[in-house]
Amino acid sequence: NAGVTQTPKFQVLKTGQSMTLQCAQDMNHNSMYWYRQDPGMGLRLIYYSASEGTTDKGEVPNGYNVSRLNKREFSLRLESAAPSQTSVYFCASSEGGEAIYGYTFGSGTRLTVV
Amino acid sequence: KQEVTQIPAALSVPEGENLVLNCSFTDSAIYNLQWFRQDPGKGLTSLLLIQSSQREQTSGRLNASLDKSSGRSTLYIAASQPGDSATYLCAVRPGYSTLTFGKGTMLLVSP
Repeated sequence: NAGVTQTPKFQVLKTGQSMTLQCAQDMNHNSMYWYRQDPGMGLRLIYYSASEGTTDKGEVPNGYNVSRLNKREFSLRLESAAPSQTSVYFCASSEGGEAIYGYTFGSGTRLTVV
Repeated sequence: KQEVTQIPAALSVPEGENLVLNCSFTDSAIYNLQWFRQDPGKGLTSLLLIQSSQREQTSGRLNASLDKSSGRSTLYIAASQPGDSATYLCAVRPGYSTLTFGKGTMLLVSP
């Protein structure tokens, strides 16, 4: 089925470890996004890529880096994981930056940092 | 800064009831509004997308309205079913920017 695929689905890290969350979409969408979801905080934007070759910070970018590898793939990297980064991470895509387009979300990565 | 509020935070109804979920936003300069459904431990599923020029959108038993000038949207669910139990999220798109989400309404429909 067409959509947004995230890997891994679950991950446990020790404080200070690094990891990369992978996201790929097969809908030929131009824009991609990374959100985190925390209880009581809702979904907050970490980084986004309006088009291939561009990335921009969102509301909560500290402690993260991103790479728009190609039009399909957008990865999120934690260089030195901290317990505050325990969260559910969602990748999303939209056809373009134009506001007429809606978002499609992946199923999420549940990350625990101990 | 755009803020999105959803009321109530939780709602419990018996099967068959019609219900309304509310969403309000502080800045009326939005380009669209999107309603999502999230099942426990799952991702977000898009339900309805309303452009700023539209007043409502319908899909099956769902109807979403938008009053941009007053900063409000409602999601109407007709003849609720236990399978409708989920968290419903409202998100607005303020211009050529990204979605801003509310914290959601957790709905429980009892048989």
